[in-house]
Formats: sequence, structure tokens, C-alpha cells
Amino acid sequence: DIQMTQSPSSLSASVGDRVTITCRASQSIRNNLNWYQQKPGKAPELLIYAASTLQSGVPSRFSGSGSGTDFTLTISSLQPEDFATYSCQQSYNSPHSFGQGTKLEIK
Amino acid sequence: QVRLVESGGGLIKPGGSLRLSCAASGFSFSDYYMTWIRQAPGKGLEWLSYISGGSDHTKTADSVKGRFTISRDNANNSLYLQMNSLRAGDTALYYCARERAPGGSSYGLDVWGQGTTVTVSS
Repeated sequence: DIQMTQSPSSLSASVGDRVTITCRASQSIRNNLNWYQQKPGKAPELLIYAASTLQSGVPSRFSGSGSGTDFTLTISSLQPEDFATYSCQQSYNSPHSFGQGTKLEIK
Repeated sequence: QVRLVESGGGLIKPGGSLRLSCAASGFSFSDYYMTWIRQAPGKGLEWLSYISGGSDHTKTADSVKGRFTISRDNANNSLYLQMNSLRAGDTALYYCARERAPGGSSYGLDVWGQGTTVTVSS
């Protein structure tokens, strides 16, 4: 099975900051990497699929990059509504494993 | 409006069985792969199983293989997860979700239900 490792596990930042979250796969997953945002008590929401394609309706301050084993999610200028938990997921091989999540908190 | 609504969760004793349901509406259900995911309290997301639109292709995580079975009824726009031999470690919020692209299973999960809670305890 493919293991997905995110870093950091938690992150404190301020409104307006640029933030980057990293996701690493235990083997190449080409560009089959998805990012989700989850707020407390809510279901996850798809932000980015295929490593860098923004899901419809997602603000352009979110971007994704990477291929193979190393991927990043970048938020260019944090907004108050962005404080949440972010998870990556590989959809290259079953099981479509998730990373452990990165909790983004207000500094 | 595209919507998924899970049901069937509850409190169950270890060793017991439950069947979760997911009612879909607002889209052509039979065209899409569907997936079950769970989230234990305070933990991350765990992918469990998916099924193709025609039920001819399924995959299940090793952690639940042999105990959990995914199925669907396209005539009733419903997805199911039969869970047997439940353990305390199966306690979680269980979500159903839709694969983003019709006919595909590799493009992200774009529609999620609100989840149904399963608690396994004596």
C-alpha cells in the first residue's frame, strides 16, 4: 500500500500569510494527488485534483504542485475562512490512502 | 442539487453488524464510482472501499477486508456498506462520497455526505 505523509502536522499562521503544506508518497503516484479542506464538524471538501487542478468554485489563492512522490499545497494569502485541516489523498492505486492531515491554526 | 445522505449508524456491541446506507440525489448515480471513507474521533481520514457504477469493480482496504462489503442499488440511487464483526477500532464517522469524474476512480471525491456515526462499545 502507498503511504502518504504530510508535513507539518500543524501550523500556526496569520491572515495574509503565504502557507505551504507538503505531502510525500511512499512511491510514485504520478499526478494522482488530491487535496481536501475540512472544517470542524463538517465533511471534507475537494480543493485540488490531479495535483494542480483547482476544483470548481475554489478560490485562486489555493494552488497545488508536484508529481511523482512530492507535492505541495500553497495558500498565497491566508483568509480567516482558510483556518481548517488539510488532507492529501492519492488516487493512483487502491487503497486510495490519505495523509494524516495538517491543522492550520490562527497565530 | 447534488446530495448524499448517510444513515444506519448507531451504537453496536463488539462482534455485531450494521448496514450503512447512502441516498444519492441530483445526479446520474449509476454513472459514478462511489466510495466509503471513515474518520475516527480526532483522527484523519481513512479510505475504506469503492465500487464502480455497474458494481463490476470494487476495492476494499485491507483493514476491513473480509468484514466490510460495499454494494449499490442503482434503481434506488443507494450505496451500502455492510459491516460485520465490528470492533472498538471501527468507531468512527462514516462518509460516503462521489468520485469527481463519471466512470473514473482516480480524480478526487467531489461530493460528500454529512456522515453517520458508528460507535462500537459494550
